[in-house]
Amino acid sequence: QKEVEQDPGPLSVPEGAIVSLNCTYSNSAFQYFMWYRQYSRKGPELLMYTYSSGNKEDGRFTAQVDKSSKYISLFIRDSQPSDSATYLCAMSGRDDKIIFGKGTRLHILP
Amino acid sequence: DAGVTQSPTHLIKTRGQQVTLRCSPKSGHDTVSWYQQALGQGPQFIFQYYEEEERQRGNFPDRFSGHQFPNYSSELNVNALLLGDSALYLCASSSIGQGDWYGYTFGSGTRLTVV
Repeated sequence: QKEVEQDPGPLSVPEGAIVSLNCTYSNSAFQYFMWYRQYSRKGPELLMYTYSSGNKEDGRFTAQVDKSSKYISLFIRDSQPSDSATYLCAMSGRDDKIIFGKGTRLHILP
Repeated sequence: DAGVTQSPTHLIKTRGQQVTLRCSPKSGHDTVSWYQQALGQGPQFIFQYYEEEERQRGNFPDRFSGHQFPNYSSELNVNALLLGDSALYLCASSSIGQGDWYGYTFGSGTRLTVV
């Protein structure tokens, strides 16, 4: 079993819809949870990070962490065509080595 | 404020050759991590440098080596290139010294093609 599992997609949704992206993980030592966005031919860009369980909101983005289920989510409200990208979940434990998921390709249809 | 700078942007090498990739971290950052991203995959951790020392290493063979200079810039060296080394190599900088290690800033990467 891989440490971090993420559905690669692609996921296509109409503009304005709510997008839900998810990852599961197996390592209970993970404490820091992050979401990165990667546009084509670019490096990943940090969107949000959360420590331990709970929710965090930033504009149209909400990150949720459920450590009991080893499940993390990213919600995008009022999705825009500019949100079309690959979204990578990432996590780390005390050793601060960041482990990434495969990434989910998201297409927002105008 | 310059972000993370990587050079070159693209590179084509022949099997068996050696390659050196370079990275300048974001201003104020003291830690450099290198990742390999194959097509359609997430970034895989190669190693991390802090205070000119290799601090951590992922599951990569010894053909992959690195260096960090006093100005915090870094190099990734790959010897005896294999076709499977073809990938996007990403450099990420952060600031362990300021306790902000998880705030990785990535460069745009070097696309390495081995033929």
